[in-house]
Amino acid sequence: QKEVEQDPGPLSVPEGAIVSLNCTYSNSAFQYFMWYRQYSRKGPELLMYTYSSGNKEDGRFTAQVDKSSKYISLFIRDSQPSDSATYLCAMRGGGYQKVTFGTGTKLQVIP
Amino acid sequence: EAGVAQSPRYKIIEKRQSVAFWCNPISGHATLYWYQQILGQGPKLLIQFQNNGVVDDSQLPKDRFSAERLKGVDSTLKIQPAKLEDSAVYLCASRPPGLPDTQYFGPGTRLTVL
Repeated sequence: QKEVEQDPGPLSVPEGAIVSLNCTYSNSAFQYFMWYRQYSRKGPELLMYTYSSGNKEDGRFTAQVDKSSKYISLFIRDSQPSDSATYLCAMRGGGYQKVTFGTGTKLQVIP
Repeated sequence: EAGVAQSPRYKIIEKRQSVAFWCNPISGHATLYWYQQILGQGPKLLIQFQNNGVVDDSQLPKDRFSAERLKGVDSTLKIQPAKLEDSAVYLCASRPPGLPDTQYFGPGTRLTVL
């Protein structure tokens, strides 16, 4: 079983839709959670990080963490074609506090 | 502020050849990471440096991969000899002090091993 599971998609939605991206994890040592966005042929860029269970909002993006269920989500409101990218969840904890990434979900927002 | 620089952007080699990648992190970032991203997967940490010391190289295949960060700034990742399964994008990232979860990634080097 992988430490971090993420649905690879692709996920195709119309412009303006609410998008939900999800990851589950098995390692209880993970305490810090991040979402990265990666455009084609580019390096990942950090969108948000959160440390506690609950919601954290930043503009059109909301990160949600449920440590009891080992489940994290990223919601994108009013999705735009420019949001079309691969979204990677990432988690930190355990030995060396290294960051473990999910496989990424490819999102396409159709105008 | 200049971002993380990597070169070359693309490299094609034959198996058993050697290859080297270069990374220049953002100025002032003491922490530097090398990741391997195979197509369709998330980045996998190969090695983490703090200044010029190695913090974590537990996932680095040390029989063929090596990395150094002399003088605590630029870093080089080398593969010798390369295998077909090394075909991937090699990403370098750096992190500012005091922000443990804010990594800045370079554009990556896309390696194809034939």
